[in-house]
Amino acid sequence: EVQLLESGGGLVQPGGSLRLSCAASGFTFSSYAMGWVRQAPGKGLEWVSVISSSGDNTYYADSVKGRFTISRDNSKNTLFLQMNSLRAEDTAVYYCAKRWSSSASCYDYWGQGTLVTVSS
Amino acid sequence: QSVLTQPPSASGTPGQRVTISCSGSSSNIGSNTVSWYQQLPGTAPKLLIYSDNQRPSGVPDRFSGSKSGTSASLAISGLQSEDEADYHCAAWDDTLRGVLFGGGTKLTVL
Repeated sequence: EVQLLESGGGLVQPGGSLRLSCAASGFTFSSYAMGWVRQAPGKGLEWVSVISSSGDNTYYADSVKGRFTISRDNSKNTLFLQMNSLRAEDTAVYYCAKRWSSSASCYDYWGQGTLVTVSS
Repeated sequence: QSVLTQPPSASGTPGQRVTISCSGSSSNIGSNTVSWYQQLPGTAPKLLIYSDNQRPSGVPDRFSGSKSGTSASLAISGLQSEDEADYHCAAWDDTLRGVLFGGGTKLTVL
């Protein structure tokens, strides 16, 4: 059974940093691209970033480019999102998701999400 | 980041067929496949449709997807109370080099 378990969320002040982790199990982690998608309270989904299976290629939404860094440790089946220079508008539930291999917009498994709150 | 355009709400009665639209442009829906997600209240999104019209195993055939040009649609036939949820479309955008999501459509079963 595929499982994705996010951790690392919490309350942080504007300008602060936070590192999210996503522990994966139930599939060959190193064979799949992985992504982060967020959802602000009461709002729709917003794609944040994706990393290729090897970690060689990364893409970011314009809203987080230069502030967030996605990475992965295939030896530990773990995905990361380093978030710096956090802003109030980054407040959201952050989901990690496994990308289906055949479609760039297709994420077939999602974690339960971790809440990040940016506030003073 | 711009979004794909969905109606904010839709509704239907049990047994009815409802459709939800998703409008984009040539750089996203017009040149890449569309995915649809169902999000029940308080839960993570669930993949409903991929590659415009394909259903993952376990998704009932009451759910179907279609695409024409720069627009896509999700149809739900034989509407059931448990279909009450938010529905999101998504597509890769070649210009932005990222995934775009629609704003989401809240489906109410009357």
